[in-house]
Amino acid sequence: EVQLVESGGGLLQPGGSLRLSCEGSGFTFDDYAMSWVRLAPVKRLEWVSAISGSGGTTYYTDSVKGRFTVSRDNSKNTMFLQMSSLRAEDTAVYYCVRHSGYDQGRWYYFDYWGQGTLVTVSS
Amino acid sequence: QSVLTQPPSVSGAPGQRVTISCTGGSSNIGSTYDVHWYQHLPGTAPKLLIYANSFRPSGVPDRFSGSKSGTSASLAITGLQAEDEADYYCQSYDRSLSDLVFGGGTKLTVL
Repeated sequence: EVQLVESGGGLLQPGGSLRLSCEGSGFTFDDYAMSWVRLAPVKRLEWVSAISGSGGTTYYTDSVKGRFTVSRDNSKNTMFLQMSSLRAEDTAVYYCVRHSGYDQGRWYYFDYWGQGTLVTVSS
Repeated sequence: QSVLTQPPSVSGAPGQRVTISCTGGSSNIGSTYDVHWYQHLPGTAPKLLIYANSFRPSGVPDRFSGSKSGTSASLAITGLQAEDEADYYCQSYDRSLSDLVFGGGTKLTVL
């Protein structure tokens, strides 16, 4: 059974930093591209960041470029999202998701989602 | 404002049929990019419901079906059940943005 378990969320002030983790199990982790998708309080889903199975290709939505860094440690079946210079608009539940496939820059749909971890940025 | 437009809410009585629309444009759905649907019960992990416009993953009841035409797609749910009450999101790819994009979500209420 595929499982994705996020951790690392919390409450912090604007300008702060946080690292999210996602541990995958039940599948060959490095065979799959992975992403972070967030659900804001207004119920809007947004694709935040992605990383290919090897870690050699990454993606960031414009609003987080230069502030967030995605990485993965395939030896530990874990993906990370290092978040810095956090803003109130980054407040959301962050989901770890698995892509059904990845091919030369084309990211396929999300076939498995984690339960999410809440990040709240507030003064 | 989401790239893909969904109605904020739909409702139906148990046993009825409801449809949820997802309207895009020439840079996403209209460019032959596939549409996928996710079901989200609050407090749980979202779940893939329909992929590639009309395919159901294993375990998804055939009460759920998807279709796509032109710049729009639809999710249909027949034989509505109380446990179908959830938020539903469509998703596609937008070539102008080079992004995977979502609809704004539709809350389904079972009356």
